[in-house]
Amino acid sequence: EVQLLESGGGLVQPGGSLRLSCAASGFTFSGYAMSWVRQAPGKGLAWVSSITGTDGRTYYADSVKGRFTISRDNSKNTLYLQMNSLRAEDTAVYYCAKDRTSSGGYCMDVWGKGTTVTVSS
Amino acid sequence: QSVLTQPPSASGTPGQRVTISCSGSTSNIRSNTVNWFQQLPGTAPKLLIYSNNQRPSGVPDRFSGSKSGTSASLAISGLQSEDESDYYCATWDDSLNGWVFGGGTKLTVL
Repeated sequence: EVQLLESGGGLVQPGGSLRLSCAASGFTFSGYAMSWVRQAPGKGLAWVSSITGTDGRTYYADSVKGRFTISRDNSKNTLYLQMNSLRAEDTAVYYCAKDRTSSGGYCMDVWGKGTTVTVSS
Repeated sequence: QSVLTQPPSASGTPGQRVTISCSGSTSNIRSNTVNWFQQLPGTAPKLLIYSNNQRPSGVPDRFSGSKSGTSASLAISGLQSEDESDYYCATWDDSLNGWVFGGGTKLTVL
């Protein structure tokens, strides 16, 4: 069974850092693009970042560019999101999602249950 | 506001057919395929439709999708109480080089 399990969320002060992880199982992790999508309390879905499967090209939403870094360790079947200079508006549930293709941008077909990040003093 | 435009709410009675629209532009919907997600309260989004009109295995054929130009729509026929949920459209945007989502539509089954 294809599964994604996020971890690493928590309470952090404004300006702080946090690293999210997404452990993948049930599929050949290196063969697929992966993404992070977030949902602020009471709001809709918002794309954060994506990384391709084979060549590791990265893409970022303007709202997080320069502050967040997406990466993957294909040997550990794990996706990461390093979040620096966190702001109150980064407060959200963060989901990782698998694409159906290696290059991405086609279809996010499997989602994790999410991990909650709260930025507050 | 969201790059893709959806109505904030929709409603129907059991057995009815409802449609949810999603409006975009040439850099997103016209250029790429559209996905639809269902999100039940307190749960992660679930893929409902991909590639404009394809259903993943396990999704009932009551759900269908279509695309024309810069717009897409999701249709739900034979509405059931368990269809009460939030629905989101999404696609890749070639200008933004990223995914874009609609603001979501809350479907109420009366």
